[in-house]
Formats: sequence, C-alpha cells, structure tokens
Amino acid sequence: DIQMTQSPSSVSASVGDRVTITCRASQGISSWLAWYQQKPGKAPKLLIYAASSLQSGVPSRFSGSGSGTDFTLTISSLQPEDFATYYCQQANSFPAYTFGQGTKLEIK
Amino acid sequence: EVQLVQSGAEVKKPGESLKISCKGSGYSFTSYWIGWVRQMPGKGLEWMGIIYPGDSDTRYSPSFQGQVTISADKSISTAYLQWSSLKASDTAMYYCVRHSSQHRVFDYWGQGTLVTVSS
Repeated sequence: DIQMTQSPSSVSASVGDRVTITCRASQGISSWLAWYQQKPGKAPKLLIYAASSLQSGVPSRFSGSGSGTDFTLTISSLQPEDFATYYCQQANSFPAYTFGQGTKLEIK
Repeated sequence: EVQLVQSGAEVKKPGESLKISCKGSGYSFTSYWIGWVRQMPGKGLEWMGIIYPGDSDTRYSPSFQGQVTISADKSISTAYLQWSSLKASDTAMYYCVRHSSQHRVFDYWGQGTLVTVSS
C-alpha cells in the first residue's frame, strides 16, 4: 500500500496569512494527488485534483503543486471559512486509494 | 445537480446486522463507481470499497475485505453498505462517494451516516 504522510498535523494561522501544507507519498504517484477540505460535522469537499487542478467553484486562493512523491497545498490569503481539516489522497492505482492523516488548520 | 443522499443515523447492539443506503441522482448512476469511506470518531478518512453499479463489479480495501458487503440496485440508483455482525469498533461516520474515473477523485460525497454500536 502507498502511505501518505501530511505535515504538519496541525497549524495555527491568522486571517490573511499564507499557509502551506505538505503531503509525501511512500512511492511515486505521478500527479495522481487530490486535496479535500472537511469542516466540522460536514462531509469532505474536493478542492484540487491531479495535483494542481482546481475543482470547479473552488476559490483561486487555493493552489496545489508537486509530482512524484512530494506535494503541497497552498492557501494564499486565509479567509475565516478556510479553517478546517485538509486531507490529501493518492490515486495512483485504482481503487487502492489512500488518504493522508489530515492537517487541522486552526485560528491563531 | 448531482446528489448522493444517505440513510439516517443508526444505533445498534454488538452482533446485530445493518444495511445503510446511498441514493444517487442528477447523473447516470450506472456510469460511475460508488465508494464508501469510513471516518471513526476524531479520526481520518479510510477508503473501504467501491462498486460499479452498471455491472456490480466490486472491489474492497484489504482492511475491510470480509468485514462488510457492498452492493447496488441500479433500478433504484442506490448503493448499500452492510454488516452481518456489528462490533463496537464499527462505530463511525460512513460516507458514500462518487468516483470520477477521469480525474481519479471522489468528486461528490453523501452527507454521511453515523453508525453507533453500543451495548
């Protein structure tokens, strides 16, 4: 199984800050990497697919990059509604997809 | 509008059986894989398994193989997740998800079904 490791596990930031979350795969996954946002009590929501493509309707302050084993999710200017938990997910080999353990983004 | 609507919360005793559902609408139900994702209390996301309603081809995560059964009834656009004998450790939120083969993502999620197993 491909293991996904996110860092940090939690981060505190303020509105307007730039935040970067990292996801590392245990083996190369090309660009088969997605990012999801989950708010408390809600289902996850797809933000980014294919490492850097923005899902329709997602604000442009979200961006993704990387390929191979190392990936990042960047929020350029944090908004109050962005405080949530973020998960990466690898999709290298259907259907054995795996998620990272999550990164909780909290208000400083 | 694509929607996945799941059945309501369940409270069960250990050893009981359970079948929860996920009804798809707003798209061709038989043309997309439907998966199930578990989230234990305060924990992360785990992919459990997936089914193609068009021909009922079903795949399971090794962690869940033999522990649950995934099925679908394409005549009513509904997928199911079932247990024959629940354990306390099955207590979790369960999400159904639609799989986009083009982008290899879960692009739509159900609202979740909370399953509580307690004596």
